[in-house]
Amino acid sequence: AQRVTQPEKLLSVFKGAPVELKCNYSYSGSPELFWYVQYSRQRLQLLLRHISRESIKGFTADLNKGETSFHLKKPFAQEEDSAMYYCALRGGGAQKLVFGQGTRLTINP
Amino acid sequence: SAVISQKPSRDICQRGTSLTIQCQVDSQVTMMFWYRQQPGQSLTLIATANQGSEATYESGFVIDKFPISRPNLTFSTLTVSNMSPEDSSIYLCSVAWGEKLFFGSGTQLSVL
Repeated sequence: AQRVTQPEKLLSVFKGAPVELKCNYSYSGSPELFWYVQYSRQRLQLLLRHISRESIKGFTADLNKGETSFHLKKPFAQEEDSAMYYCALRGGGAQKLVFGQGTRLTINP
Repeated sequence: SAVISQKPSRDICQRGTSLTIQCQVDSQVTMMFWYRQQPGQSLTLIATANQGSEATYESGFVIDKFPISRPNLTFSTLTVSNMSPEDSSIYLCSVAWGEKLFFGSGTQLSVL
């Protein structure tokens, strides 16, 4: 079975501080992992995916197969990073995604 | 990227009635999906809308409750039938475009 776990429902950090949103997954094959973000009053959108190994808006995420994790990190948080973040998994060649519960990130000034 | 128009954006419905949600894409796409997001919960896939054939439903969702149409490669509808307050959720249309998924703005449904 495919499962994504985001242990923190809420995360609050101060502007300029490092931020890490945790994501663990369960999947027997080789998964594709994604981070989606939903800013206030906007639709859900792709932030980054592990295949691209890219940095978007200062965020990075590394797939750790040993720990089955895909944590999202940013060294210096900005107020505009406040949003709902979802970790998602795609496996078995299917296009559908399995989402985690989401973490609401609040950046305090 | 794909631009998705979903409507209605919200509705308040009476118990026992049905609501049809529309999803229009500006490009032809093979894969369209319908998700549900219950209050305080994550997104859960309802079904994959297949063009020219019946939708493929996930465990816990059935066609009688959530009939889906996919008449062409740019359009799909999801109907929430015989609604109860437990159906109060946000319903999201999603399309696969290349390796990425794009989402509609969602339909917030409240059932009284």
